[in-house]
Amino acid sequence: GAVVSQHPSWVICKSGTSVKIECRSLDFQATTMFWYRQFPKQSLMLMATSNEGSKATYEQGVEKDKFLINHASLTLSTLTVTSAHPEDSSFYICSARRSATYEQYFGPGTRLTVT
Amino acid sequence: DAKTTQPPSMDCAEGRAANLPCNHSTISGNEYVYWYRQIHSQGPQYIIHGLKNNETNEMASLIITEDRKSSTLILPHATLRDTAVYYCIVRVAEGGAGNMLTFGGGTRLMVKP
Repeated sequence: GAVVSQHPSWVICKSGTSVKIECRSLDFQATTMFWYRQFPKQSLMLMATSNEGSKATYEQGVEKDKFLINHASLTLSTLTVTSAHPEDSSFYICSARRSATYEQYFGPGTRLTVT
Repeated sequence: DAKTTQPPSMDCAEGRAANLPCNHSTISGNEYVYWYRQIHSQGPQYIIHGLKNNETNEMASLIITEDRKSSTLILPHATLRDTAVYYCIVRVAEGGAGNMLTFGGGTRLMVKP
């Protein structure tokens, strides 16, 4: 149990376009989901905390208008990278916190390459 | 979350025990010690967690010192597939705004044949 999926697993897009990444908790409800970003040879950096039915909370330095987060249900959160640029190329990882136990489970990640 | 300190890298021979240390000298009384690992280009994988007692599961053992200022993750018989970055994280177990997992640098474990 406690499986988190992400779609797509990798995506290549052109500069200026937008990309949507989905994060789903497959077998549990997640009131809260987290979005992380990881650059090569670096650790995971928390970008934002997504709460079902309310606005996301962004970490300092993360542009909320560029990284749009929607958490419309207890099993789905989406991250949209708007007007992507090459510097947005990174590994994006979501994590879902099980509502009943507060344990946090991670998705497999999405590799975004902006050309 | 309290900060943790881990060595940046370690080597281990295949089949031997891998002992990964973590220092968390400012840990609070209600904070747990969590260990995750990240194999290259994958999401982090939960390994084990504990509060003050030693814990063991099918993956590893966690030894926490009596003063809770440090801990050691033990992989009893390391295999090549255990090569990964291991993260030691402290956090409270219940929900709340400050409950997210915050990652430090971790230890890059290289298991060698």
